[in-house]
Amino acid sequence: AQTVTQSQPEMSVQEAETVTLSCTYDTSENNYYLFWYKQPPSRQMILVIRQEAYKQQNATENRFSVNFQKAAKSFSLKISDSQLGDTAMYFCAFSRENSGGGADGLTFGKGTHLIIQP
Amino acid sequence: GAVVSQHPSWVICKSGTSVKIECRSLDFQATTMFWYRQFPKQSLMLMATSNEGSKATYEQGVEKDKFLINHASLTLSTLTVTSAHPEDSSFYICSAGRGVWEETQYFGPGTRLLVL
Repeated sequence: AQTVTQSQPEMSVQEAETVTLSCTYDTSENNYYLFWYKQPPSRQMILVIRQEAYKQQNATENRFSVNFQKAAKSFSLKISDSQLGDTAMYFCAFSRENSGGGADGLTFGKGTHLIIQP
Repeated sequence: GAVVSQHPSWVICKSGTSVKIECRSLDFQATTMFWYRQFPKQSLMLMATSNEGSKATYEQGVEKDKFLINHASLTLSTLTVTSAHPEDSSFYICSAGRGVWEETQYFGPGTRLLVL
């Protein structure tokens, strides 16, 4: 079984600052995917960024980037130039690769409540 | 895009009744959909994997007779909470990928269930 651990229940930073959310996971799988999802007060889950385990290069999406350390089983999210709209719950998630090359159901961490202060 | 809808968005029912929640992929076909449950201020927990044309696969600890899943078409999966009780009150969310090769899941907006 897989486990995902987010050790920061809540973080608060000033607008325009950079913030890093931590995530570690445990698995015996070799092929898997890692994700960061954002859940604003509307509770709609929004994909922030994803990483394939076989790729060494860290994924980047505009202001969002990850630091993927496969050997350490660490997958942190860095948000640069934080904005008020970034305020939300952030969930780290893991998925095994299925037989079709896609992903199985997600295992989520407990989440980090990120607050961007004006 | 990859849009997933859920209906209803919220429902209140009496204890002992059954409630059906629909999950639809609006602009793509989904051979597999997933159902999650989220209690207040908690994370999402995978309940089951819904496969079109076959039986759902339930996670350990999830009662399959309590949570009936039907994936009748490539765009529709339903979750029926049978004989609902107050402890079933929760936020239910579905997700789907655009194909077996798709690693990303797209989430519906969720259904808030309150059992009185």
